[in-house]
Amino acid sequence: EAQVTQNPRYLITVTGKKLTVTCSQNMNHEYMSWYRQDPGLGLRQIYYSMNVEVTDKGDVPEGYKVSRKEKRNFPLILESPSPNQTSLYFCASSLGLAGGPPISTDTQYFGPGTRLTVL
Amino acid sequence: QQPVQSPQAVILREGEDAVINCSSSKALYSVHWYRQKHGEAPVFLMILLKGGEQKGHEKISASFNEKKQQSSLYLTASQLSYSGTYFCGTGLIFGTGTRLQVFP
Repeated sequence: EAQVTQNPRYLITVTGKKLTVTCSQNMNHEYMSWYRQDPGLGLRQIYYSMNVEVTDKGDVPEGYKVSRKEKRNFPLILESPSPNQTSLYFCASSLGLAGGPPISTDTQYFGPGTRLTVL
Repeated sequence: QQPVQSPQAVILREGEDAVINCSSSKALYSVHWYRQKHGEAPVFLMILLKGGEQKGHEKISASFNEKKQQSSLYLTASQLSYSGTYFCGTGLIFGTGTRLQVFP
């Protein structure tokens, strides 16, 4: 089954304790992205990756790191989490849009989400 | 950077129609629409491409005005299952969201 998986689904942690949220897709998609969702603010992009070893910042990258060592995996790392990073996080993957300009993508497939609470 | 959607919220009775608008400050090659149920991941509805190609949901339609950098989503004869938050997107960037509630 084609899917994007995220782990953990729920996480409660304390300020400053490093954590990693994993994301994996089995559709051989080039593009992968991380978003955070907060009430009234929609989906805000944290980082995205166009392919292995190619990543770039989104709108809200501060306090986050990513890596793309393999095409299927795109982990999100919080080196020193703070309470303002309490949020619902989504990972997504997609193909590039054939014939489109750079950084144009086809349908995004989302993971189930990770609800993170930082105390 | 984010496309701006209007209205922010819509309340409907079953069977009523609604229009959700999406406006971008950047030139658009494609517009995507997603629906998200509370606490769940967004789900793809449709994509509209420059030049008029469209693919997606049979019961929901949309338009894409490339010159104005705008798109509209048309929900006709709304059903209870249409409730959720709707997002437009330019591929990787999503709009501010429109919350739609349909009541019996």
